[in-house]
Amino acid sequence: GAVVSQHPSRVICKSGTSVKIECRSLDFQATTMFWYRQFPKQSLMLMATSNEGSKATYEQGVEKDKFLINHASLTLSTLTVTSAHPEDSSFYICSARVTGGVQETQYFGPGTRLLVL
Amino acid sequence: AQKVTQAQTEISVVEKEDVTLDCVYETRDTTYYLFWYKQPPSGELVFLIRRNSFDEQNEISGRYSWNFQKSTSSFNFTITASQVVDSAVYFCALRDSNYQLIWGAGTKLIIKP
Repeated sequence: GAVVSQHPSRVICKSGTSVKIECRSLDFQATTMFWYRQFPKQSLMLMATSNEGSKATYEQGVEKDKFLINHASLTLSTLTVTSAHPEDSSFYICSARVTGGVQETQYFGPGTRLLVL
Repeated sequence: AQKVTQAQTEISVVEKEDVTLDCVYETRDTTYYLFWYKQPPSGELVFLIRRNSFDEQNEISGRYSWNFQKSTSSFNFTITASQVVDSAVYFCALRDSNYQLIWGAGTKLIIKP
């Protein structure tokens, strides 16, 4: 199956700093990647859809200036949490879309646990 | 509106028992895709199955089986002879026309030894 990596897997930072999370598709090209956020014991919440070479599409309520997304290549999308605050602490998960009609599937990275002190 | 309902918040069974996780969906699309993902305690989401709306054949993969019923808009997942390693949160999802996934709330499955 398709493999998606995420880095870092865990990060602890001080309030006010920025954190960058990388999402890579290792064995396929992904024109579309998705960024999710998951709070404890809850389902995934889609934050934004990242398209290679164009601006990301953010879901309602997600601040695009706070959560910067860059999808500069077909295998890499990055999410930068700017001026992080404790309420940004969460589990961030990316996925990459494997296209191809009936084979259409999203494969997920292992997630990044962010703790803002 | 598109929606996925997993009414079972948590299920606890003893190892070797069979267990079924329910998933009911709502969509106005005539062509759609349904998915099941497993999320173990490590957090990584593992893809289990994809089902197209025009393929109602049930599927079996080892101890896992899926029952897709368009008439009741359900896509239930059964684990036969459950094992402790099956303990996880299981999510059912529906893909919309924008290729986004509509997620159920998840069912936490606890398999006791």
